[in-house]
Amino acid sequence: DAGVTQSPTHLIKTRGQQVTLRCSPKSGHDTVSWYQQALGQGPQFIFQYYEEEERQRGNFPDRFSGHQFPNYSSELNVNALLLGDSALYLCASSPSGTRGVTGNTIYFGEGSWLTVV
Amino acid sequence: DAKTTQPTSMDCAEGRAANLPCNHSTISGNEYVYWYRQIHSQGPQYIIHGLKNNETNEMASLIITEDRKSSTLILPHATLRDTAVYYCIVRVYSGGYQKVTFGIGTKLQVIP
Repeated sequence: DAGVTQSPTHLIKTRGQQVTLRCSPKSGHDTVSWYQQALGQGPQFIFQYYEEEERQRGNFPDRFSGHQFPNYSSELNVNALLLGDSALYLCASSPSGTRGVTGNTIYFGEGSWLTVV
Repeated sequence: DAKTTQPTSMDCAEGRAANLPCNHSTISGNEYVYWYRQIHSQGPQYIIHGLKNNETNEMASLIITEDRKSSTLILPHATLRDTAVYYCIVRVYSGGYQKVTFGIGTKLQVIP
């Protein structure tokens, strides 16, 4: 059973460019979240997708957008890249389960390292 | 969000038990305590979670105090490969969908 898979693993972009990161959730999981982790910091929540809609959003600008496809896979798009967007981007998936009960384990992928130069 | 407090760093001798504490004094009744670890440059790895009772799996044990205001993750026989940042997290039910809020975690250094 494949876990959460992300691509690409590493990429370098120039300031002002746009980037798309991809995520396939763990089998049986229908909820996908994205996190940004700067060097030396804990992961910061960007947003979460369920049933192809953004359900929650962290404190990130509109330059960060996403999409979820019918097969539950997801993309993270970042426009007008800034140097400060350089980070590890993590995708996490979980089953929707019974809402109100936080006993459904969230699993993370290995991340995509983005360097903006 | 319920906040957690962990020591910034800890050392543990190889082969000894590593006991990582976490305070979560504002935890609510239906919120679980989760532990993840992150080895350098990799994604966070799920370790264990619990609600009220102590839990054990092949990786670790989780001891939750009776008042649920704190917990301890125990790695029974630490190895060099257990060197990582360990995150204690309280899972919050927010607006119908769950999310995870990370702190800075505890950097565990296992010493030969």
